[in-house]
Amino acid sequence: AQTVTQSQPEMSVQEAETVTLSCTYDTSENNYYLFWYKQPPSRQMILVIRQEAYKQQNATENRFSVNFQKAAKSFSLKISDSQLGDTAMYFCAFFTTSGTYKYIFGTGTRLKVLA
Amino acid sequence: EAQVTQNPRYLITVTGKKLTVTCSQNMNHEYMSWYRQDPGLGLRQIYYSMNVEVTDKGDVPEGYKVSRKEKRNFPLILESPSPNQTSLYFCASSFRSGGWYEQYFGPGTRLTVT
Repeated sequence: AQTVTQSQPEMSVQEAETVTLSCTYDTSENNYYLFWYKQPPSRQMILVIRQEAYKQQNATENRFSVNFQKAAKSFSLKISDSQLGDTAMYFCAFFTTSGTYKYIFGTGTRLKVLA
Repeated sequence: EAQVTQNPRYLITVTGKKLTVTCSQNMNHEYMSWYRQDPGLGLRQIYYSMNVEVTDKGDVPEGYKVSRKEKRNFPLILESPSPNQTSLYFCASSFRSGGWYEQYFGPGTRLTVT
């Protein structure tokens, strides 16, 4: 069974600094997708960034980028130039299309951006 | 406006009283899913549906039922709620575009079972 682990329950970063959130996963499959979702205090779930496992190039969306290490089963999120609006819970998620179509989420990292 | 709606947003009920949480999307998405969110546990998938009349269990299906009679609707049914089903519930829908299954989430339903 697939698992997703986020080992940092809480983190903080100064405004304008860079922070990296870690995520590791376990799977025996070769084709899958990885996502980072953001949940601000409003509770709304918002997609931050996504990565296809077969793509070696790391995904980037403005200030957000990932470091995808397939062999190590690692999928970390880097937030550059942190802003107060980045304060939120961040969830790493794994999605498989091999037989089942399940989403597996990590337990989340609560990020606080300090002024 | 493209959206996923859930009703009710808040619900307090008693043990054993059947309830339904509705979920509807207006984006013609094939894939729909229900999650529960609990502190320290993240989101856990309850059920998902690949299309009309096609549903499958997620990781925590016990105590829940779903149906997918129409493409836009995916209600979550608790036949006999218990206090351990007190949680924040999210419905989500997803389309496949170039291989992606990007999910759009509803606003959440806070359920309390006493």
